[in-house]
Amino acid sequence: DAGITQSPRHKVTETGTPVTLRCHQTENHRYMYWYRQDPGHGLRLIHYSYGVKDTDKGEVSDGYSVSRSKTEDFLLTLESATSSQTSVYFCAIRQSPQETQYFGPGTRLLVL
Amino acid sequence: GNSVTQMEGPVTLSEEAFLTINCTYTATGYPSLFWYVQYPGEGLQLLLKATKADDKGSNKGFEATYRKETTSFHLEKGSVQVSDSAVYFCALSDTQSPDKLIFGTGTRLQVFP
Repeated sequence: DAGITQSPRHKVTETGTPVTLRCHQTENHRYMYWYRQDPGHGLRLIHYSYGVKDTDKGEVSDGYSVSRSKTEDFLLTLESATSSQTSVYFCAIRQSPQETQYFGPGTRLLVL
Repeated sequence: GNSVTQMEGPVTLSEEAFLTINCTYTATGYPSLFWYVQYPGEGLQLLLKATKADDKGSNKGFEATYRKETTSFHLEKGSVQVSDSAVYFCALSDTQSPDKLIFGTGTRLQVFP
């Protein structure tokens, strides 16, 4: 258990509304990640963070923004949700210098 | 670019059968290789990993050997149980870019009594 929680665990929203997902970790890890999981695609990296206020884009970053104002929290924001963003979102941490990433329980998002 | 290819599922087996889930990769450099498992309704859990050629990762009766000559990392288990039913993901990370974890599409395993 890497001490990762995600909130909310489930959310239903309407197209065009803003949505923020939260990832919280309790073990002071420097690296944090947001992925989305979709059938036929596995997991794809959205954004990641390598420290407070230090973030970078992943493979599928369009339509998403992130913020990290504290070590323990990494927020993913959909500024204006679209149906194509219906997915399961996973947060992960990496225990540097190891390469292994550990995942949270996921947030299931449905955009109507 | 780097990529991972997994066999299509679902894989359906009877309890105590032998399991193989194929995984091949394309990568520059010398990636580390991982198998993650996702049980229904849960997040991904690391199952095993290997960081260099000929390394064998093992955990909970599962094994996978890093084969550089065939660019493969096949997952095996000698005798599966119903509780092994899950989705299995193969993944790689390049030592030059450890933040760029590349996943396969996942293989669903269903084990019946």
